[in-house]
Amino acid sequence: DTEVTQTPKHLVMGMTNKKSLKCEQHMGHRAMYWYKQKAKKPPELMFVYSYEKLSINESVPSRFSPECPNSSLLNLHLHALQPEDSALYLCASSQEGQGPNEQFFGPGTRLTVL
Amino acid sequence: QKEVEQNSGPLSVPEGAIASLNCTYSDRGSQSFFWYRQYSGKSPELIMFIYSNGDKEDGRFTAQLNKASQYVSLLIRDSQPSDSATYLCAVRNTGNQFYFGTGTSLTVIP
Repeated sequence: DTEVTQTPKHLVMGMTNKKSLKCEQHMGHRAMYWYKQKAKKPPELMFVYSYEKLSINESVPSRFSPECPNSSLLNLHLHALQPEDSALYLCASSQEGQGPNEQFFGPGTRLTVL
Repeated sequence: QKEVEQNSGPLSVPEGAIASLNCTYSDRGSQSFFWYRQYSGKSPELIMFIYSNGDKEDGRFTAQLNKASQYVSLLIRDSQPSDSATYLCAVRNTGNQFYFGTGTSLTVIP
């Protein structure tokens, strides 16, 4: 099973709302990622969790707050977003350690900030 | 800055032809190299990965890696209209950071 699931599929929120994106994988992967993708652009890395600890934060604004409750789950908490934050948010997972550690993506959450 | 560069295209090939996609990267410490296919409005789908110099074949797809030239390519043989998509090259370093190229848009003309 190479499935990564994400909920919700679509989210519309106002700039004062608080919402969360959820991601789950059951492949035993110990690295999980959040990416942001704008139209016709490649995915941009936001955060990396390794063994449930935040290992990389690519200078993401604090209005995005990641959380990794356990090895299968990854959340992205959203607060006071701006319209320019509207994008496709992708979760991915991979093995850790030696090897190619190929990354598998979930279907994404399409976020619109009004 | 870890750069991954691809020709943005668009690349058009007739059905049944070979499509050739190219990617160069700047970080010599890069460990693994990946090709993803992304249909419009969908998430990236892994096609192939390669981490040793040379060729790797999987069905109609062949990935080629030349670490000395910092070059990765993807060949798609017998191209089909369903292969029409954006192809993303991705590079992973030792720190589990993946960097993506800007993607090449491929259209296979029936």
